[in-house]
Amino acid sequence: GNSVTQMEGPVTLSEEAFLTINCTYTATGYPSLFWYVQYPGEGLQLLLKATKADDKGSNKGFEATYRKETTSFHLEKGSVQVSDSAVYFCALSDQNYGGSQGNLIFGKGTKLSVKP
Amino acid sequence: EPEVTQTPSHQVTQMGQEVILRCVPISNHLYFYWYRQILGQKVEFLVSFYNNEISEKSEIFDDQFSVERPDGSNFTLKIRSTKLEDSAMYFCASSVGTVTTNEKLFFGSGTQLSVL
Repeated sequence: GNSVTQMEGPVTLSEEAFLTINCTYTATGYPSLFWYVQYPGEGLQLLLKATKADDKGSNKGFEATYRKETTSFHLEKGSVQVSDSAVYFCALSDQNYGGSQGNLIFGKGTKLSVKP
Repeated sequence: EPEVTQTPSHQVTQMGQEVILRCVPISNHLYFYWYRQILGQKVEFLVSFYNNEISEKSEIFDDQFSVERPDGSNFTLKIRSTKLEDSAMYFCASSVGTVTTNEKLFFGSGTQLSVL
């Protein structure tokens, strides 16, 4: 079945460091890919998405490119801030439950801590 | 921005007891979901709900689980007889449209269920 694998955390960086969180997926068909973020005490929020191969999603300085050839959707940011400290979840849309509504399949989440 | 609200934030129960987890989705949303995350594992889809009935459910969502939208604003998840392995963070989510149409899901901050 469809699945998402993302790098194990926690990841600890200094402010202004470069961030990469790896995400690879296994899927049949052509899923959309997402990054969700969960700040402390809050729910998961959509950070960015890409709906087809070679699309780049971007938001708040974060970027991820849908790479079909490597089945990857790595999250990157050039210069992280303390306020980026959160748990980041990679996900894909799964339409294999036989219905039209679709569901999200998530990875385990990667905790990022940014130190001043 | 409107929010999905979940109560309680923490729930402790004895094995075999019934629990009800409560969620208030965003008012104009039509699609509702429950996901859960066992500590250290992936966020897993449980069930989706539309037009007052279950649209899809995963293998996890067995006869011990049920969902209800009793009054047009609340969306509840009931576990009839809790087991130790039901201990997890439970997330409610809602959306205007379907995942298939790439609508984003809005998540609550979760209910941490601990079964003793």
